Amino acid sequence: AQSVTQPDIHITVSEGASLELRCNYSYGATPYLFWYVQSPGQGLQLLLKYFSGDTLVQGIKGFEAEFKRSQSSFNLRKPSVHWSDAAEYFCAVGAGASKLTFGTGTRLQVTL
Amino acid sequence: SQTIHQWPATLVQPVGSPLSLECTVEGTSNPNLYWYRQAAGRGLQLLFYSVGIGQISSEVPQNLSASRPQDRQFILSSKKLLLSDSGFYLCAWSVLGSGPYQETQYFGPGTRLLVL
Repeated sequence: AQSVTQPDIHITVSEGASLELRCNYSYGATPYLFWYVQSPGQGLQLLLKYFSGDTLVQGIKGFEAEFKRSQSSFNLRKPSVHWSDAAEYFCAVGAGASKLTFGTGTRLQVTL
Repeated sequence: SQTIHQWPATLVQPVGSPLSLECTVEGTSNPNLYWYRQAAGRGLQLLFYSVGIGQISSEVPQNLSASRPQDRQFILSSKKLLLSDSGFYLCAWSVLGSGPYQETQYFGPGTRLLVL
């Protein structure tokens, strides 16, 4: 069975600083990978996804993620964080029809 | 464009009372539909998914049930709520991509349920 690990429960960065959120997955075949963001009390919004092709994926709101098969990772990055990026971020792996497994999330706090 | 609605947004119910949460999708046909639960400080747990009217798959044994009476309507129910049913319930829909299993799930705004 597939699994997703987000090792950082909580991260604090200063506004304008760069950001990297870590995601490691476990799956025997080529995974389909996603990053979602959730603001307090809201649903999840899709930031980006990887199915195949270029391993560097661009998403909305200036985010990008890089699929590294050798490290089983799909880390999310942003070069300059804005205060409005404060939220919870979820990595997910899809493997097989209708099966999406989520990590436990990383809460991002942005200091001004 | 597609939109997904959930209601109610917030619900406070006593233990032992029934539950009905509704999810509807607009702007697409024959979507896959999902119910997730998010407990405080935890990730998302898939409860049910449906690939068509009347077709429901349950992921975990529990006090809840789901139904899909119409193509774009998905209902989460319980006959008697437990304290442990409290949480944030999210509905999602998906479309297939160009390859097998290349689904992308899109989420609704959620319903916060508090069982007292």
